[in-house]
Amino acid sequence: QVQLVESGGGLVKPGGSLRLSCAASGFTFSDYYMSWIRQAPGKGLEWVSYITRSSSYTNYADSVKGRFSISRDNAKNSLYLQMNSLRAEDTAVYYCARPMTTVVTTETDAFDIWGQGTMVTVSS
Amino acid sequence: SSELTQDPAVSVALGQTVRITCQGDSLRSHYASWYQQKPGQAPVLVIYGKNNRPSGIPDRFSGSSSGNTASLTITGAQAEDEADYYCNSRDSSANLIFGGGTKLTVL
Repeated sequence: QVQLVESGGGLVKPGGSLRLSCAASGFTFSDYYMSWIRQAPGKGLEWVSYITRSSSYTNYADSVKGRFSISRDNAKNSLYLQMNSLRAEDTAVYYCARPMTTVVTTETDAFDIWGQGTMVTVSS
Repeated sequence: SSELTQDPAVSVALGQTVRITCQGDSLRSHYASWYQQKPGQAPVLVIYGKNNRPSGIPDRFSGSSSGNTASLTITGAQAEDEADYYCNSRDSSANLIFGGGTKLTVL
């Protein structure tokens, strides 16, 4: 079945680094752009980053720009998020998410597949 | 504005109809999508586009939009609909934005 499974979360000290992974299965991963979305404890959802199908373009929320880096390996059906210079406010569950369609239109601009999330805690 | 505003909490009696709203300038040019999230679970898409439901979403969920306001309506709310609901759209830079979420209580 169509599935996304995140891993790599954990406890890290402020200023530290962590690399998250998202393993995709059940669909042609290379056909979809992919996103990372996070949710701080007790808070709402926040888009973090996205990457196009061929990795030709990436974009980041202002809150993580210059510190986080998104990448993908289509041969391994995997999405990554390299997080550097971590701060307490980066503490959150991180989800990878797939859009509904391979070509996103105004009518299909939504995420129908989400992973279960991986928890990142930044604390000394 | 690049924000989406939702009421923090809404309640509805079992079997009644409830509307959850999402306001933002970007909604004048972009559709909202709606997600349901239960405690400890990942969000689930319930409405996308003009008013479309993914497979498996009950037809008591519907969406609408007028001006800068998008709405999610649950007609005949059930106990299992108690959850947080988030709207999602794009800002003027085409970046994704989410509303702050609405906690729905079914009484």
